[in-house]
Amino acid sequence: GIQVEQSPPDLILQEGANSTLRCNFSDSVNNLQWFHQNPWGQLINLFYIPSGTKQNGRLSATTVATERYSLLYISSSQTTDSGVYFCAVERSRDDKIIFGKGTRLHILP
Amino acid sequence: NAGVTQTPKFRVLKTGQSMTLLCAQDMNHEYMYWYRQDPGMGLRLIHYSVGEGTTAKGEVPDGYNVSRLKKQNFLLGLESAAPSQTSVYFCASSRGRERDEQFFGPGTRLTVL
Repeated sequence: GIQVEQSPPDLILQEGANSTLRCNFSDSVNNLQWFHQNPWGQLINLFYIPSGTKQNGRLSATTVATERYSLLYISSSQTTDSGVYFCAVERSRDDKIIFGKGTRLHILP
Repeated sequence: NAGVTQTPKFRVLKTGQSMTLLCAQDMNHEYMYWYRQDPGMGLRLIHYSVGEGTTAKGEVPDGYNVSRLKKQNFLLGLESAAPSQTSVYFCASSRGRERDEQFFGPGTRLTVL
């Protein structure tokens, strides 16, 4: 089946730093989403981004579907950015949704 | 709008017991999903529904059944719970045909002893 690999698995940064999270996928996809799971377990959709670039405040994402990767950029990190960031893809051939294992981000004050 | 709600929030079962998890959404979304999340892993899709009266298998459907009798509700059933089904269960919904962005419920933490 499709492989969805996220890197790095863990990231520790000082408040104010910038970061780039990567999602690689091994098959054609209809769409791709980035989610943030906060330390209390709540899941929030950040971007629905099958291709191109989107920005929302300090966060932006770019998906290059032809090269099968997506990047999530976080600028000027805040402690509230801590948590796990998941990438999820919808496989083209059967519409199944597959999540990566996530990147755990710790922002230190 | 309450968004996506899940009932119950916590539950402890004994092996072999049955239970039903309820997911409700008030956004008139067509698509609804049930996922499970295990420690150190991403979410895995159990079953999903593309509209009232329809259901389909996801990545890990075995041991679970679902029903979507009303558009706003999606039920997940465990007929005979097993310890391997100890997990956090998340329900989600999305608007339309292109499967748009998903909105998640707060999760149900299930422990099977």
